[in-house]
Amino acid sequence: GQQLNQSPQSMFIQEGEDVSMNCTSSSIFNTWLWYKQDPGEGPVLLIALYKAGELTSNGRLTAQFGITRKDSFLNISASIPSDVGIYFCAGQLRGTSGSRLTFGEGTQLTVNP
Amino acid sequence: SQTIHQWPATLVQPVGSPLSLECTVEGTSNPNLYWYRQAAGRGLQLLFYSVGIGQISSEVPQNLSASRPQDRQFILSSKKLLLSDSGFYLCAWSNRASNQPQHFGDGTRLSIL
Repeated sequence: GQQLNQSPQSMFIQEGEDVSMNCTSSSIFNTWLWYKQDPGEGPVLLIALYKAGELTSNGRLTAQFGITRKDSFLNISASIPSDVGIYFCAGQLRGTSGSRLTFGEGTQLTVNP
Repeated sequence: SQTIHQWPATLVQPVGSPLSLECTVEGTSNPNLYWYRQAAGRGLQLLFYSVGIGQISSEVPQNLSASRPQDRQFILSSKKLLLSDSGFYLCAWSNRASNQPQHFGDGTRLSIL
């Protein structure tokens, strides 16, 4: 089955720094999604990407759908303490039964004030 | 707007006891519904998904079962809990149309003693 490799597994940064994380897949996806999960809560959708090459921003967050459709990255600019959490990428293949997602293992982000 | 509710938020159960977790969605019709388990705050494992009333697909063999008695209600059950059933259980929904992102509830923290 499809697998997503998400890196890095964890990041420790200073407030104000920029952050970059990415996901790669052995096969193509039609949709890439990025979620953030705060402790004890469910993941919240940050950005959805639907076309190869698409670059989308949401405030300080920017994500891109790789041109090969096998990868995506998420950048966070000028990090703040509330950016702390686990970030997940997820890929979706059109026509998959139930529109199931394949998730990466997550990137744990720690921001030091 | 659409909302998703899960309850209870936390649950402590003895080994061998039954389980019933409930998830309901409001503000949409005919959603796809999903149950995930998350261990140690990383990696979402899809347990079940449903594309309609009474239609349940299981992703992994396990001690749990799911039911969808109504269009916007999804229930996760067990007749006899095991220690290994401990974890964070998340319900999610998506629109039936292809390539739609999933939206998650706030989860249930299940501890088995």
